Amino acid sequence: GQQLNQSPQSMFIQEGEDVSMNCTSSSIFNTWLWYKQDPGEGPVLLIALYKAGELTSNGRLTAQFGITRKDSFLNISASIPSDVGIYFCAVQLGNTGFQKLVFGTGTRLLVSP
Amino acid sequence: NAGVTQTPKFQVLKTGQSMTLQCAQDMNHEYMSWYRQDPGMGLRLIHYSVGAGITDQGEVPNGYNVSRSTTEDFPLRLLSAAPSQTSVYFCASSQGQGLGKLFFGSGTQLSVL
Repeated sequence: GQQLNQSPQSMFIQEGEDVSMNCTSSSIFNTWLWYKQDPGEGPVLLIALYKAGELTSNGRLTAQFGITRKDSFLNISASIPSDVGIYFCAVQLGNTGFQKLVFGTGTRLLVSP
Repeated sequence: NAGVTQTPKFQVLKTGQSMTLQCAQDMNHEYMSWYRQDPGMGLRLIHYSVGAGITDQGEVPNGYNVSRSTTEDFPLRLLSAAPSQTSVYFCASSQGQGLGKLFFGSGTQLSVL
């Protein structure tokens, strides 16, 4: 099946630091998504990207859809303790009908107060 | 404001036992799906449904059955539990044109001994 490579696997940072993570694939996709999973909960959509080169922000989060359509980046500025969780990238297989998503392996973020 | 509700939250089974994981959504979403989450492997699609009476297989369907008799409910059945099915299971729902926005339940943690 499709494989998304996320890096880094985990990060341990100090509160206030900026964070960058990325997701790459050997295939081209037309939709890139970033989800966050809080401990003990299901993932929640943070940002959706639908156009190559698109840069989208959601508060302190900024994500970019790579121009090659094979990668995406997520940046978090001025991290706070509630940013702790697992961040997943995901891509949508196909353009219509059921949204069959493939998820990356996740980046686990820990923030020290 | 329930969203997607999964029960039970935790379950321990013996090898060979059967059980049903329940999932209900109150958002009148067309699409529902089941994912399993294993360490280091992200979320993988088990089965999905595009509407009442219509189901299809995802990436890892073996050992699981689903049915969709109503829009609201999408139960996942384990026919004969195996240790390899130890995992965290998430149910998700989405609108027909939700463009990748899945709403996840809070998960069922299943251990098969």
